[in-house]
Amino acid sequence: AQKITQTQPGMFVQEKEAVTLDCTYDTSDQSYGLFWYKQPSSGEMIFLIYQGSYDEQNATEGRYSLNFQKARKSANLVISASQLGDSAMYFCAMREALSGGYNKLIFGAGTRLAVHP
Amino acid sequence: KAGVTQTPRYLIKTRGQQVTLSCSPISGHRSVSWYQQTPGQGLQFLFEYFSETQRNKGNFPGRFSGRQFSNSRSEMNVSTLELGDSALYLCASSLTGGKLTTNEKLFFGSGTQLSVL
Repeated sequence: AQKITQTQPGMFVQEKEAVTLDCTYDTSDQSYGLFWYKQPSSGEMIFLIYQGSYDEQNATEGRYSLNFQKARKSANLVISASQLGDSAMYFCAMREALSGGYNKLIFGAGTRLAVHP
Repeated sequence: KAGVTQTPRYLIKTRGQQVTLSCSPISGHRSVSWYQQTPGQGLQFLFEYFSETQRNKGNFPGRFSGRQFSNSRSEMNVSTLELGDSALYLCASSLTGGKLTTNEKLFFGSGTQLSVL
């Protein structure tokens, strides 16, 4: 079974600095996809960025980029120029196959990021 | 375009009662998934519906059930509530549920916070 590991329960960063949130994964599949979601205190899970295993370039979405190292099975999220509104829980996730060819998302335990002014 | 709407936002129930949670997906989305989020277990997959059919179910007891209507709205029901059912219940919608490696995003609602006393 697949597994997602986020080893940093909490991180803090100064406003306007960059921060890296770690994610490692375990899968025997050759083709897979990785997601990052942000969960502010409101509870809603907000999609941030996606990386496919065969994508040649690291994914970027605005201030978010993904440092994808396939051989190491890591997909770290980099947030540049942190803002106070970035304070939230961040989850790394990947699709896991279910019966019938369908799938679900499995999530890591999350990292709580605090941005200080 | 309206996002995923979950009602109610908060619920307080006592042990032994039953509860029904509602989820309205983004217009045009036919797949609805439910996840349970607790501090101890993190995010766990409950079930997924597509075109009124349950395609998969996670490892939860039969007290947890759901359904989907012809307009893709979904409800989940928990009968004979236990203290351990206290959690944030998140609903997510997507166009089709996606194949294993597509970047089809899941769009989440803000969740229903259930407290069982």
